Amino acid sequence: KAGVTQTPRYLIKTRGQQVTLSCSPISGHRSVSWYQQTPGQGLQFLFEYFSETQRNKGNFPGRFSGRQFSNSRSEMNVSTLELGDSALYLCASSLGPAGTQYFGPGTRLLVL
Amino acid sequence: AQSVTQLDSQVPVFEEAPVELRCNYSSSVSVYLFWYVQYPNQGLQLLLKYLSGSTLVESINGFEAEFNKSQTSFHLRKPSVHISDTAEYFCAVSLSGGYQKVTFGTGTKLQVIP
Repeated sequence: KAGVTQTPRYLIKTRGQQVTLSCSPISGHRSVSWYQQTPGQGLQFLFEYFSETQRNKGNFPGRFSGRQFSNSRSEMNVSTLELGDSALYLCASSLGPAGTQYFGPGTRLLVL
Repeated sequence: AQSVTQLDSQVPVFEEAPVELRCNYSSSVSVYLFWYVQYPNQGLQLLLKYLSGSTLVESINGFEAEFNKSQTSFHLRKPSVHISDTAEYFCAVSLSGGYQKVTFGTGTKLQVIP
């Protein structure tokens, strides 16, 4: 089976812009979670989707949003980018809620 | 809510020496426990997990971890490390049951010295 794929792998944006990141889970996996990883804050949970519904949400501002499609693919959107949004954004999929998570390679976002 | 603490941010160890990476969790209910490894410029890979049953779990590359409920710990050990084990290791916890988010520790960087 193919692993979790994330596109794009690298992004450079400027402050104020918006960005959309995509995640394709492992075939058959219906749960997708998003994380932000930075050197200072470590791995922080953004949100989890299962069956197109957001099931859990971390402590991030409303500028961070996501959605899941009927084929379980997920997108994450960040509006009005700030310098502090520069990070590695990781997506993980699992068969279902609380299942073992399998991570993609991440999207590295740099905000200038 | 659950939480996890990794006591050491960096652990240097000589090649072929044993290593222990410490992880303690906090939860008043049953939990699932995980160790993930992240190699440079890569995503996280599941190393091993404890869901139920035997408290000692092993990975295919020689790591093992033991769930200790009384000490709320899930330390990761390897009797003899290799250069290729140099990576960052994350302990994670989730409450058993559905729709429970996974909480990660801050990570421990293992530096294997030749």
